[in-house]
Amino acid sequence: AQKITQTQPGMFVQEKEAVTLDCTYDTSDPSYGLFWYKQPSSGEMIFLIYQGSYDQQNATEGRYSLNFQKARKSANLVISASQLGDSAMYFCAMRGDDYKLSFGAGTTVTVRA
Amino acid sequence: EADIYQTPRYLVIGTGKKITLECSQTMGHDKMYWYQQDPGMELHLIHYSYGVNSTEKGDLSSESTVSRIRTEHFPLTLESARPSHTSQYLCASSTLANYGYTFGSGTRLTVV
Repeated sequence: AQKITQTQPGMFVQEKEAVTLDCTYDTSDPSYGLFWYKQPSSGEMIFLIYQGSYDQQNATEGRYSLNFQKARKSANLVISASQLGDSAMYFCAMRGDDYKLSFGAGTTVTVRA
Repeated sequence: EADIYQTPRYLVIGTGKKITLECSQTMGHDKMYWYQQDPGMELHLIHYSYGVNSTEKGDLSSESTVSRIRTEHFPLTLESARPSHTSQYLCASSTLANYGYTFGSGTRLTVV
């Protein structure tokens, strides 16, 4: 069974500053994938970034980077230069060998002007 | 441009009614999923399919049922809606060759 843990229910960040969202996971699958999604108040799920368990380098996509520490089973998301439009709920998710995607509880980010 | 479509976007319906939530994708993905999400909460997998005529129950028990007669179509049915079914339902698809998952816009269901 897979378990995703996000311990920060909500965070405030000043515009133009960076914010780190924590995610830890637990799985017995030898290979897996880690995802981050953004969900604005409208409800759709927006894919942000992906990290494969065998990838040697941390993934980056524009202002998003994933700090992958395999030994610690953590996959933290870093958003640099926060913008007002970044205010949303953020979900960490993991795909195991069965290709089912499991989600954490989410973190609400509020960007202040 | 959406490649996975969910209808209706919003639905308010009375208790006891039968409803079908539609989900279609044009990407030829073999795997499809239904998630249930209460406001501000995590997504729970309720059904998934690995291909035509394949359906499985997810991690969260649900009174809904699904079918997969065509690759592109994965409808979810509630035979008798109840207020406890009020939630957002999100459909997603993926393929073995693509690690990404594509989500529909969701259906916000309210049972009164």
